[in-house]
Amino acid sequence: GENVEQHPSTLSVQEGDSAVIKCTYSDSASNYFPWYKQELGKGPQLIIDIRSNVGEKKDQRIAVTLNKTAKHFSLHITETQPEDSAVYFCAASGGGYQKVTFGIGTKLQVIP
Amino acid sequence: KAGVTQTPRYLIKTRGQQVTLSCSPISGHRSVSWYQQTPGQGLQFLFEYFSETQRNKGNFPGRFSGRQFSNSRSEMNVSTLELGDSALYLCASSVDGNTIYFGEGSWLTVV
Repeated sequence: GENVEQHPSTLSVQEGDSAVIKCTYSDSASNYFPWYKQELGKGPQLIIDIRSNVGEKKDQRIAVTLNKTAKHFSLHITETQPEDSAVYFCAASGGGYQKVTFGIGTKLQVIP
Repeated sequence: KAGVTQTPRYLIKTRGQQVTLSCSPISGHRSVSWYQQTPGQGLQFLFEYFSETQRNKGNFPGRFSGRQFSNSRSEMNVSTLELGDSALYLCASSVDGNTIYFGEGSWLTVV
């Protein structure tokens, strides 16, 4: 089955700096890579996703990049703000009936 | 459009008891999946249902079961509760099983 590794497990940045979270996946058939943000006491919320036919996708301050050859994908948050503090999960799935497999999560702390 | 609704939000059970959690998916979503979230293990996949059929199952013991009704609502059941079953149980719904949207979860404490 699919295995998703995510690092770092914790990340502290100063407000205004950039944050990068990296993930690798094992199944070359995976073709969909979503990212979720989970705030304390809430369920994970989908913030951005990318499909395997695209190398990069941006949405305001967040962007995701995908390197299919290396099986790497990353989340980039620019101009971080205190409200970006949360746990972020990467995930991978293979399309069709394959389940979504999550990374272990990264706790991001943005220091004002 | 209403999101994924889970009930109850919080519950406390005693070891050996059983529990049933309920999930109402986003309108039009026929896929419902369940995840267990614990601090050390992250998001662990339990099972996924599509049109009342279980399509995928994770590596959990048979004490964990689920079902889906014709209106796409789903329930999961845990029998003979153990202390280690204390966790946040998350339901997610999807049109196609890939882009999934989570509910707020049900917090289960086993004492």
